Amino acid sequence: DGGITQSPKYLFRKEGQNVTLSCEQNLNHDAMYWYRQDPGQGLRLIYYSQIVNDFQKGDIAEGYSVSREKKESFPLTVTSAQKNPTAFYLCASRDVVVGNTIYFGEGSWLTVV
Amino acid sequence: AQSVTQLDSHVSVSEGTPVLLRCNYSSSYSPSLFWYVQHPNKGLQLLLKYTSAATLVKGINGFEAEFKKSETSFHLTKPSAHMSDAAEYFCVVSPMNRDDKIIFGKGTRLHILP
Repeated sequence: DGGITQSPKYLFRKEGQNVTLSCEQNLNHDAMYWYRQDPGQGLRLIYYSQIVNDFQKGDIAEGYSVSREKKESFPLTVTSAQKNPTAFYLCASRDVVVGNTIYFGEGSWLTVV
Repeated sequence: AQSVTQLDSHVSVSEGTPVLLRCNYSSSYSPSLFWYVQHPNKGLQLLLKYTSAATLVKGINGFEAEFKKSETSFHLTKPSAHMSDAAEYFCVVSPMNRDDKIIFGKGTRLHILP
């Protein structure tokens, strides 16, 4: 089945540690996105990529980094510079060719311990 | 500029009664409009989408939405609520221009009363 796979589902980060959230898609979509969702809040855009080897900062990029070396993969690194990283992270891809539909992964919970 | 406004942050209905979740949009051109549902600790699941075909769009789980250009609205409805419909619902504008950002509403939490 085609879709987006995020891993891990739950991740714990110690103070001062960098962690990486994985996002893989087999939908052949060029556009991919990372969002942060805090409890009771909407979605905020962290980074997005319209094509391989290119990505753009979203509204809350500080303390995060990404790479897009392959079309299928768009990992997000939460660095120690992100002072309040505890949140639910959602990866998405968009079919810009047909229908403009957005597809989401199941999300990853990151907690600072 | 594009924008999406979900008019209610919380909606409560009794099981078996109709559901109405309101969404207004602003766009300089005909947008692609979507409704997504999010259950706790899950990703967003597509309920339905409008992409300039029929103005009345039918989705999954008995939901439907009507695109009204004159009112710039895309309200989500369901004739009879079920307990399993309790979730967060997001109205979304996905721009036709691939360089423009996706616009999310702030969400409406639907509560179903027994």
